[in-house]
Amino acid sequence: KNEVEQSPQNLTAQEGEFITINCSYSVGISALHWLQQHPGGGIVSLFMLSSGKKKHGRLIATINIQEKHSSLHITASHPRDSAVYICAVRTGGGADGLTFGKGTHLIIQP
Amino acid sequence: DGGITQSPKYLFRKEGQNVTLSCEQNLNHDAMYWYRQDPGQGLRLIYYSQIVNDFQKGDIAEGYSVSREKKESFPLTVTSAQKNPTAFYLCASSPDRDYGYTFGSGTRLTVV
Repeated sequence: KNEVEQSPQNLTAQEGEFITINCSYSVGISALHWLQQHPGGGIVSLFMLSSGKKKHGRLIATINIQEKHSSLHITASHPRDSAVYICAVRTGGGADGLTFGKGTHLIIQP
Repeated sequence: DGGITQSPKYLFRKEGQNVTLSCEQNLNHDAMYWYRQDPGQGLRLIYYSQIVNDFQKGDIAEGYSVSREKKESFPLTVTSAQKNPTAFYLCASSPDRDYGYTFGSGTRLTVV
């Protein structure tokens, strides 16, 4: 079972809508990352969180450590936001690298 | 501008052949990583290196090999022992475990 679960797997919305993507994890973590993967495959790091909330432009990421849950919000969505959004966690201890969710495929229609 | 360069973007290999994927970074990052992505699956860690001349196996290292002779370079060799090598391969780097990651644009490997 994947330790990182994302929902929904696929999301289609109209331009301007408020978007929420959820991520739940089952292990203790030291940090959670939100990533954006474009159709060509390249990945851009959006946020790294260990607590609270971060905002960058129209993107907002929140994390609740006690509930092992994070959300990524997109306000005033635009077709250029169409991409796969990936949640990844870095666990503590001696492990290195990240454990990834399967991603949420977002399509914003004009 | 600093970043990670992966080459080639697309690669075709015949069964039984070894192939090497390139990953170069000019970010002065100590740590480098190789991930594999399959359709409908999350990325999985193949190998990582925290410092020059040292590297560790990840979750799916069988059939792969790496080297880290220079800080800037972390090539991945997909050997003939890898049973299902067709996949998308991503390289990443990080200055430290407590910092974010920079990803390359990936190499799509197809075995023909």
